Amino acid sequence: NAGVMQNPRHLVRRRGQEARLRCSPMKGHSHVYWYRQLPEEGLKFMVYLQKENIIDESGMPKERFSAEFPKEGPSILRIQQVVRGDSAAYFCASSPLPGSHSNQPQHFGDGTRLSIL
Amino acid sequence: GENVEQHPSTLSVQEGDSAVIKCTYSDSASNYFPWYKQELGKRPQLIIDIRSNVGEKKDQRIAVTLNKTAKHFSLHITETQPEDSAVYFCAATIKAAGNKLTFGGGTRVLVKP
Repeated sequence: NAGVMQNPRHLVRRRGQEARLRCSPMKGHSHVYWYRQLPEEGLKFMVYLQKENIIDESGMPKERFSAEFPKEGPSILRIQQVVRGDSAAYFCASSPLPGSHSNQPQHFGDGTRLSIL
Repeated sequence: GENVEQHPSTLSVQEGDSAVIKCTYSDSASNYFPWYKQELGKRPQLIIDIRSNVGEKKDQRIAVTLNKTAKHFSLHITETQPEDSAVYFCAATIKAAGNKLTFGGGTRVLVKP
């Protein structure tokens, strides 16, 4: 059973370009979460999606950042007009449909390390 | 929103000794508390978790305790080994809030042989 798949593993962009990060959840998982990890820091929640729905985007910057999880294909985190401060590791996690009485653990992908020149 | 504090930020122990990491959370509605281990350049890996209806959980050399009244939880690693060296993150989540994880700042553990 393949885990959470993220690509690319490393992405280099120049200031002003666009970055697209992809995440395929584990088989059977319908919930996707994106987190950002700045160098030497912890992980910060960005956005939570289910198929074709953004459930919670409270952690995502209002400008330049967007996310989607289409009916078919991976979830995409898109950063437009990147700036140096966007350099970070972006992790995707997935979980199955939460049970009615319990939380479900989130399993992380290997991340995409974004470097802005 | 939820806030999770974690300490210490660094922890150096001798191989074979125990390591303890403590976290506090602010939102009493939090009901699930996972712990992740992250090695350099790797993804966070879930190592143990505890739900709010349980006070303690153990898995081999790793144990987690939860005090809901005081709103704190701890990770205990016994008989530490060099391969336990990593950054450990605690997290808290509220099922009603969509299960998003709020992480502590991390503890860098170094096990000296």
